[in-house]
Amino acid sequence: QQQVKQSPQSLIVQKGGISIINCAYENTAFDYFPWYQQFPGKGPALLIAIRPDVSEKKEGRFTISFNKSAKQFSLHIMDSQPGDSATYFCAASTQGGSEKLVFGKGTKLTVNP
Amino acid sequence: NAGVMQNPRHLVRRRGQEARLRCSPMKGHSHVYWYRQLPEEGLKFMVYLQKENIIDESGMPKERFSAEFPKEGPSILRIQQVVRGDSAAYFCASSRMGGWPEQFFGPGTRLTVL
Repeated sequence: QQQVKQSPQSLIVQKGGISIINCAYENTAFDYFPWYQQFPGKGPALLIAIRPDVSEKKEGRFTISFNKSAKQFSLHIMDSQPGDSATYFCAASTQGGSEKLVFGKGTKLTVNP
Repeated sequence: NAGVMQNPRHLVRRRGQEARLRCSPMKGHSHVYWYRQLPEEGLKFMVYLQKENIIDESGMPKERFSAEFPKEGPSILRIQQVVRGDSAAYFCASSRMGGWPEQFFGPGTRLTVL
């Protein structure tokens, strides 16, 4: 039973383009939704996160869009750069309890120069 | 301002041996989480600990795996009698305290079982 579904599995974008990664969740108790970036051989790095009381959050070239009614959220990377090539994971958790993160399976992003 | 530290970074064990993985949380963080990542897979939660307490171990296999976070020293994930299926990357994350959701990950320990 996969609680967070992520798509696409892989994504190829040209430099300067927009990368879009989507996630859908099932558990309505989730109230914290982070995105992590992972380079090969490294640990995941927290990129940006959102709570369900806002529909969008932007930090630099990275934007999270959140649709509570559809139980979906997405990561947009504007002006994608070759250095953005990495695997991106969405996740979700419920605060006040275990607070464990439930991860999607990841999207491998390749940005061509 | 050191981040989450894990050691060893790479660990090779033969089937039947014990693996001991260590994690030191970020300064000021009192909560530790362990996750396992299989090749080409996302991370799977294993266990959540505070100092001297296991809060949630719902992701831990029932046998051979144990975790602790003593009052002094790092958190330790122990795998007894390792099997080939235990080969994976094991990541530790820490957070400040309950109600602060941000979890910061260490570089991981890559366990290979021969």
